[in-house]
Amino acid sequence: KNEVEQSPQNLTAQEGEFITINCSYSVGISALHWLQQHPGGGIVSLFMLSSGKKKHGRLIATINIQEKHSSLHITASHPRDSAVYICAVWSGNQFYFGTGTSLTVIP
Amino acid sequence: NAGVTQTPKFRILKIGQSMTLQCTQDMNHNYMYWYRQDPGMGLKLIYYSVGAGITDKGEVPNGYNVSRSTTEDFPLRLELAAPSQTSVYFCASSSPTANYGYTFGSGTRLTVV
Repeated sequence: KNEVEQSPQNLTAQEGEFITINCSYSVGISALHWLQQHPGGGIVSLFMLSSGKKKHGRLIATINIQEKHSSLHITASHPRDSAVYICAVWSGNQFYFGTGTSLTVIP
Repeated sequence: NAGVTQTPKFRILKIGQSMTLQCTQDMNHNYMYWYRQDPGMGLKLIYYSVGAGITDKGEVPNGYNVSRSTTEDFPLRLELAAPSQTSVYFCASSSPTANYGYTFGSGTRLTVV
């Protein structure tokens, strides 16, 4: 069983829809990261969370430490949001990664 | 431009050859990492470093070696390349105090034939 599980694995949305991607983890963590990987392969760090909620533009990330769960929300989704979104947790001395959620936003 | 620079972007190796993947960052980050990403799979940590002179194995270190002689550079060495090492390799760096996580290089696509 993976230390980090993401759902859904694949997601297709119409432009403008509100999107939620979920991440659950089974290890004790000191931080959780949300990453974005575009079709060209480059990876960008979106958020680092240790508690509560962060907002950056149309992106919102929340974490519930007690429930070992985090969500990434995208408001007013746009085709340029199409990418793979990866949840990663820092536990002990290393990161554990989810396998990613592939998001496609259709115009 | 500030960030993590990886070279080369693409490489084809024959079985048994060796090579070094270069990674350098100019953000004065203490932490640096090497990951591999196999098709359809998540990132797996190969090696990481928490500062110059300090390296540690990650989840999949076999067949690789690293060194960290300076804060800026963290090269990954493949000795005796094998087809199982065909993958995309990402270098990343972070600072414990960074608010927005960490920075990835653009990746190296390696094929071993």
